[in-house]
Amino acid sequence: DVQLVESGGGVIRPGGSLRLSCATSGFTFDDYGMSWVRQAPGKGLEWVSGINWTGGSTGYADSVKGRFTISRDNAKNSLYLQMSSLRADDTALYYCARWGGSSWNNWFDSWGQGTLVTVSS
Amino acid sequence: SYVLTQPPSVSVAPGKTARITCGGNNIGSKSVHWYQQKPGQAPVLVIYYDSDRPSGIPERFSGSNSGNTATLTISRVEAGDEADYYCQVWDRSSDHLYVFGTGTKVTVL
Repeated sequence: DVQLVESGGGVIRPGGSLRLSCATSGFTFDDYGMSWVRQAPGKGLEWVSGINWTGGSTGYADSVKGRFTISRDNAKNSLYLQMSSLRADDTALYYCARWGGSSWNNWFDSWGQGTLVTVSS
Repeated sequence: SYVLTQPPSVSVAPGKTARITCGGNNIGSKSVHWYQQKPGQAPVLVIYYDSDRPSGIPERFSGSNSGNTATLTISRVEAGDEADYYCQVWDRSSDHLYVFGTGTKVTVL
């Protein structure tokens, strides 16, 4: 079974930094692109960032560009999101999601359970 | 920025058909994907490429896409279908490469 397990969330002050991790199993990690999708409390889904299978191509929502960095370690079957200059509106449940297709134009066929990031003073 | 508009809520009686729309400019030219999210749970893919169903998703779930509207149809609705549903497209010109709809809460009466 495909498993995606996020970790690294917590309470952080505005302006602070946090690194999220997503440990994967049950599939060949380096065959798939991955993304981070977030959901603010009581709100809808918002795509945050994505990375292709090699790690050589990345993308970011304008709202996080320049503050967040996505990366992956194919040897460890893991995905990461380095977040800095955090703001109150970054407060959300952050999901790790697997691409369903091989190109950027695709969907998300597996999701983790999420890790909660709360930015508050 | 590309915008996907969904009705906030849809109510349906058990055994009836629920139709959830997703409106977007010329959305018929894009591939639309749909997710179901139950309270406290992660989203689950229910339709991809407008009308394909992942393995394990009941045939009661179907999709269509044309013009400015994509539609997710749930036939013979069951209590377990009560959830939030989101449409999603890829749009390279948007400020979010992947755009999600505003979400629709389906209530089974």
